Formats: sequence, C-alpha cells, structure tokens
Amino acid sequence: DGGITQSPKYLFRKEGQNVTLSCEQNLNHDAMYWYRQDPGQGLRLIYYSQIVNDFQKGDIAEGYSVSREKKESFPLTVTSAQKNPTAFYLCASSKPRGRNYGYTFGSGTRLTVV
Amino acid sequence: KNQVEQSPQSLIILEGKNCTLQCNYTVSPFSNLRWYKQDTGRGPVSLTIMTFSENTKSNGRYTATLDADTKQSSLHITASQLSDSASYICVVSDYKLSFGAGTTVTVRA
Repeated sequence: DGGITQSPKYLFRKEGQNVTLSCEQNLNHDAMYWYRQDPGQGLRLIYYSQIVNDFQKGDIAEGYSVSREKKESFPLTVTSAQKNPTAFYLCASSKPRGRNYGYTFGSGTRLTVV
Repeated sequence: KNQVEQSPQSLIILEGKNCTLQCNYTVSPFSNLRWYKQDTGRGPVSLTIMTFSENTKSNGRYTATLDADTKQSSLHITASQLSDSASYICVVSDYKLSFGAGTTVTVRA
C-alpha cells in the first residue's frame, strides 16, 4: 500500500540535543512538507520541498533543518536552537506543490523534551 | 490573526444524532477548501476538497457546504457513530494551506 511513514512515533529529547525525525513516502509525490501541531492551534509549516535537493523555509523554520537527498525521504532535524520543541510533528506529501492537489499525511511523531 | 476560524472549539453529541461544524475564513484569493478528520495521535485524513465553484460535496455521512461569497463553510455529520469522535480541521488554500485549529467532536453512546 502506498503511504507516508513517520518514525519514531514517540521521541524524547534532552536539553541541548539534536534529534532527527524520519519521513518516507512511496507515493511518488514530488512535494513534501513538515508541519508542527500544538494544542489549540492550526498546523504550522516548518519546511517544504518541491524537488530533490531543494527545500524552502516555512513560517516557523528557526531551530529546524531538513534535507531532501532522495525523492522518497524528507528527514527533519530539531536542533538545540529550537527552544520549545515539544509538539506533534506531521509530515505530508503531494504531487507538485499546487493548489488543488490532495495532501497525504503521515501518522506523526510526538516529541517531548525531558 | 488566524485566517481560518472554526467553531465550536469542541462539542459532545449522542450516538445517532447529527451535528454541524463551522469554518469562517479570510484567505484571499481562494483556491479550494478542505476538511480533514484527525483521530487522536494520528495524522489528518482528507474528507472533502471543494473548489470555489462548488457549493456542496459529500463523503458518506459527511457533507461539506461552501459559500464563497460569505467565506463560510460547514461540515455536517449525519447519524453520528462512535468512530466519528475526532478533531475536524478546515483548511483553506491559496498558494499555501492555512489550517484552522479544529473542532473536537466527542460521540457518546
């Protein structure tokens, strides 16, 4: 079955640590996205990539980094510079970043700072 | 200020009853409006996508309506089931997606 796989489902980070969240898709989608979800707020865009080896900052990119070395993969690194990283992180993909294409979301990674 | 406002923030209904969720938006220009269902601890799943020229779209017991003139949409759930307990998110698209904060629906037996 085609879909998006995020791992791990739960992740704990100590102060000062970098952690990497995995996102893999087998939908042959060109565009991939990372969103952050906090209670009582809408999803906010962290980074997006429309093509391999290219990515753009979203609305809240500070303290995060990404790479897109393969079409199928779009890992997100939460760096120590992100002061409030505890949140639910969602990866999504679509055909070319266009207005009427459907988005497919992964099941999410819940990151907690301990 | 969020460009997509949803109401109510949460609601509780009895199994078998109907309910309606509201979405008001200020995004302009507007390309399409989407409703997603998100189960707790899971990613959102698409229910409907409507372009500005569509007034209504159904997906089983879910019916979405759109009034592009007043910038309002609603999602109606008919004959609710326990599995409808989830958060419902309204998303408006121009060149990017703008997400509402969601309405949490709890269906009780």
